[in-house]
Amino acid sequence: EAQVTQNPRYLITVTGKKLTVTCSQNMNHEYMSWYRQDPGLGLRQIYYSMNVEVTDKGDVPEGYKVSRKEKRNFPLILESPSPNQTSLYFCASSSESDPGAPDTEAFFGQGTRLTVV
Amino acid sequence: AQKVTQAQTEISVVEKEDVTLDCVYETRDTTYYLFWYKQPPSGELVFLIRRNSFDEQNEISGRYSWNFQKSTSSFNFTITASQVVDSAVYFCALRVSQGAQKLVFGQGTRLTINP
Repeated sequence: EAQVTQNPRYLITVTGKKLTVTCSQNMNHEYMSWYRQDPGLGLRQIYYSMNVEVTDKGDVPEGYKVSRKEKRNFPLILESPSPNQTSLYFCASSSESDPGAPDTEAFFGQGTRLTVV
Repeated sequence: AQKVTQAQTEISVVEKEDVTLDCVYETRDTTYYLFWYKQPPSGELVFLIRRNSFDEQNEISGRYSWNFQKSTSSFNFTITASQVVDSAVYFCALRVSQGAQKLVFGQGTRLTINP
């Protein structure tokens, strides 16, 4: 079954304690992204990756890091989490540079609800 | 820059009513793609439809239909004979053909269908 898997689903942590949210996809997609969802703001892109070892900032990258050492994995790293990073996080992957091609809609993970106290 | 506006923050209707969710977008690109996603209470994002900027045909899928009008930069979503299972947050999103693989999302519309 095609899927994007995020872990953990829920996480409560304290300010300043480094954490990693993992994301893995089994569709051999080149493109992967991280989004955060906040009330009234919809989803906003944090970082994206166009392929292995190729990553770039999205709209809200401050306070986050990513890496893409393998095609299937795209972890999100919070080196020193702060309460304003409390949010619902989604990882997404897609297969083609042409978003109009068939089956190129983004597949999303189940989401990770992060609370930083 | 791209922008998507979903002016309806919350909508509440009684089961079997028809309901339309509005989506207005802004982009200077001539080639772009519009999407609708559903987020049920369980939290995941479910893809509903993709529409290309060069294809203004409306689409119907069961009780769902989409009206794409480039003249008004709108991509509205109608649910006919709504059901309680349609209760969810619905997101409209835009992606341009070039550059970053980014979906620009609207703020979302929370739809509640009351029995």
